Amino acid sequence: AQSVAQPEDQVNVAEGNPLTVKCTYSVSGNPYLFWYVQYPNRGLQFLLKYITGDNLVKGSYGFEAEFNKSQTSFHLKKPSALVSDSALYFCAVRDPYNFNKFYFGSGTKLNVKP
Amino acid sequence: SAVISQKPSRDICQRGTSLTIQCQVDSQVTMMFWYRQQPGQSLTLIATANQGSEATYESGFVIDKFPISRPNLTFSTLTVSNMSPEDSSIYLCSADSGGELFFGEGSRLTVL
Repeated sequence: AQSVAQPEDQVNVAEGNPLTVKCTYSVSGNPYLFWYVQYPNRGLQFLLKYITGDNLVKGSYGFEAEFNKSQTSFHLKKPSALVSDSALYFCAVRDPYNFNKFYFGSGTKLNVKP
Repeated sequence: SAVISQKPSRDICQRGTSLTIQCQVDSQVTMMFWYRQQPGQSLTLIATANQGSEATYESGFVIDKFPISRPNLTFSTLTVSNMSPEDSSIYLCSADSGGELFFGEGSRLTVL
């Protein structure tokens, strides 16, 4: 079965510092990986995805993610955090054999302090 | 991309009643999905709704409790039937557009 894991419930970082939100995956076949952000009382917003190609994927709001096949990871990164980045972040994988299925991680709450 | 409008955004309901959530997409999409989310937690897929066919329900969810309609390529409804306090949750509509999922803003239901 396909799955993703987000090992940190919460990440705290000071504004201006780099941030990393971790995600590891378990997928049979080529992974289709995604990051979503959810602000309070809002739906999920798409940030970026990896399907194939360059391992470093750039997305919205200055976020990027690095696909690492050997470590089965897809960590979300940003060079300089903003207070407005504080939100809930979800990693997700799409089942390459059943496109109807997306598997979401448990979510990581990012707190950026001024 | 796709813009998804979902309503109601929130409601307070009495036990035993039913509520229908509407989801409108600004473009034609083949697959739509309904998720449930407890605040601050991950998403649980309720069902997949393709136009012209019966919805496909995940384990633990049944059509009698969560009937879904998908009358065309831009619209779907989810009904939460005979509600109990355990149904209090956020219900999210989503659609597959260009290989990505796009989400509505969610419907926060509180059942008293």
